[in-house]
Amino acid sequence: GDSVTQTEGPVTLSEGTSLTVNCSYETKQYPTLFWYVQYPGEGPQLLFKVPKANEKGSNRGFEATYNKEATSFHLQKASVQESDSAVYYCARRNTGNYKYVFGAGTRLKVIA
Amino acid sequence: ETAVFQTPNYHVTQVGNEVSFNCKQTLGHDTMYWYKQDSKKLLKIMFSYNNKQLIVNETVPRRFSPQSSDKAHLNLRIKSVEPEDSAVYLCASSLQGGQNTLYFGAGTRLSVL
Repeated sequence: GDSVTQTEGPVTLSEGTSLTVNCSYETKQYPTLFWYVQYPGEGPQLLFKVPKANEKGSNRGFEATYNKEATSFHLQKASVQESDSAVYYCARRNTGNYKYVFGAGTRLKVIA
Repeated sequence: ETAVFQTPNYHVTQVGNEVSFNCKQTLGHDTMYWYKQDSKKLLKIMFSYNNKQLIVNETVPRRFSPQSSDKAHLNLRIKSVEPEDSAVYLCASSLQGGQNTLYFGAGTRLSVL
């Protein structure tokens, strides 16, 4: 299949602590992998994407490595801030396919 | 910056009424989508249009129907709303090809009383 599985939320962290949101995908093809972030009252927006296996994506201090062997794309940040409170989605899209497949979303709350 | 525009932002209606939501994208994309986001933030694809042709139609109730006049517009009509239709409806667009980013509008929140 094409499913995407990610850490079930909500996740509550204190400011300054580290974040890991796990994401795993089924291997049918070698998809492009995405992380999206949704702030309250807005639509999801791209955080970053990685089209190739074994490469890393990053943005705003967040990063994830496309691990083909482990079929994983875990999101990490060394030190979260209150402004990082949002819902994070891992997603995939196969080459030549119109369909995006999203994980269930992980709600993050960061406490000052 | 060009983007994906949805109207209205919020709509309250009663069971059995008809509603329509509008979506326009100015990004020059050739594919547009409607997603339903429930209270648990789960995103479910409803419809997808590529150059005015329906290419994905997930199993949604028949009271939902997409309407596209051109590749920049994709509207959503709900013929007779039911309480379980209360959700946020997100419009999105992209270019063909697996590496392309999906761009979302801010959403239309529907409340059915």
